[in-house]
Amino acid sequence: AQTVTQSQPEMSVQEAETVTLSCTYDTSENNYYLFWYKQPPSRQMILVIRQEAYKQQNATENRFSVNFQKAAKSFSLKISDSQLGDTAMYFCAFSKAAGNKLTFGGGTRVLVKP
Amino acid sequence: NAGVTQTPKFRVLKTGQSMTLLCAQDMNHEYMYWYRQDPGMGLRLIHYSVGEGTTAKGEVPDGYNVSRLKKQNFLLGLESAAPSQTSVYFCDISHWTPGNPYGYTFGSGTRLTVV
Repeated sequence: AQTVTQSQPEMSVQEAETVTLSCTYDTSENNYYLFWYKQPPSRQMILVIRQEAYKQQNATENRFSVNFQKAAKSFSLKISDSQLGDTAMYFCAFSKAAGNKLTFGGGTRVLVKP
Repeated sequence: NAGVTQTPKFRVLKTGQSMTLLCAQDMNHEYMYWYRQDPGMGLRLIHYSVGEGTTAKGEVPDGYNVSRLKKQNFLLGLESAAPSQTSVYFCDISHWTPGNPYGYTFGSGTRLTVV
């Protein structure tokens, strides 16, 4: 079974600064998918970024980028130019196949301070 | 969220009562999932379905039953609610297609409190 670990329960960052969230996972699969989801107080689950394990290039989406280290089984999220609206819970998630069930980490609460 | 409707949004139950949560999609996707989210934790898979008439257990299935009689609807049932089932419940639909950058759509969640 796959496991996903987020070791930082909470992170705070000043507005316009950069913050990096850590995620490690354990799997015996060679091809898989990794995700970062944002959950604001509204409870909505919002996809931030997705990475396919077979792609060596790190995914980027505007101010969000990942550092995917397949050998180390590490998948960190960098939020650049943090904005107040980035305040939320962030979850790292794993899927062993396209459309398959997701395994989530415990989450990291991010607080962006003005 | 567009295409996925979860009902109800809130519910308070007494211990021992039963209830059914409904997840309805207006699309035609095969894979549907029920997760629960407890305070300070990530989502954990309760049950899932890979098509009409099929269901399977996830990580935390005890105390729940599910049915997928119609492709559009995935029902989660609590036969005898317990305080340990106080949680937020999310339905998720997989709609993975080549080129689709998202792949999953979550419902808006059901906050269930068992007293």
